[in-house]
Amino acid sequence: TQLLEQSPQFLSIQEGENLTVYCNSSSVFSSLQWYRQEPGEGPVLLVTVVTGGEVKKLKRLTFQFGDARKDSSLHITAAQPGDTGLYLCAGLPSYNQGGKLIFGQGTELSVKP
Amino acid sequence: NAGVMQNPRHLVRRRGQEARLRCSPMKGHSHVYWYRQLPEEGLKFMVYLQKENIIDESGMPKERFSAEFPKEGPSILRIQQVVRGDSAAYFCASSPLGGEASYTFGSGTRLTVV
Repeated sequence: TQLLEQSPQFLSIQEGENLTVYCNSSSVFSSLQWYRQEPGEGPVLLVTVVTGGEVKKLKRLTFQFGDARKDSSLHITAAQPGDTGLYLCAGLPSYNQGGKLIFGQGTELSVKP
Repeated sequence: NAGVMQNPRHLVRRRGQEARLRCSPMKGHSHVYWYRQLPEEGLKFMVYLQKENIIDESGMPKERFSAEFPKEGPSILRIQQVVRGDSAAYFCASSPLGGEASYTFGSGTRLTVV
């Protein structure tokens, strides 16, 4: 069974600070996705990374897929209160059983003004 | 999330009752996935369905849980004889193609068993 370890589980920072969330596994993934989930809502896809070493930027968010496709990171620059939420990484296993995603435990981010 | 419709949004059931959760996928999507989210845990895969077929149910508990996606109508996740441990948020996602995980999630059904 492939697992994704996400860290930290909780993160509370001040507005303007930078932060990085990590997603690690001992297994290879075909692709990895990052989602953001607001309270009472479903996850919303932020980005999909497919190629080892790939870096994608979404405004102040930078996503990286590890060279070996076993890990990923999300970096937020100059965090704002609007960034508060639950961030989830999810990997598509290399054996790809019909699109079933393996999710990390999530990182609960709180950005205080 | 507006494209994938789940209802009800909140469901309260007494222990031993049945819970029926419905999911209407986005228009044009024929692949449906159900996930369960327990407090302070990530989403756990339950089942993957296409119209009239269960493709992968490896995440479904062996007893009391069943899912269907009929030719007409929404996908249904059915939990019989609910117990307190079934309390969770249940999310449905749909995609136009299987195997690519280009998901759109619904807003979920929050099941509370009292």
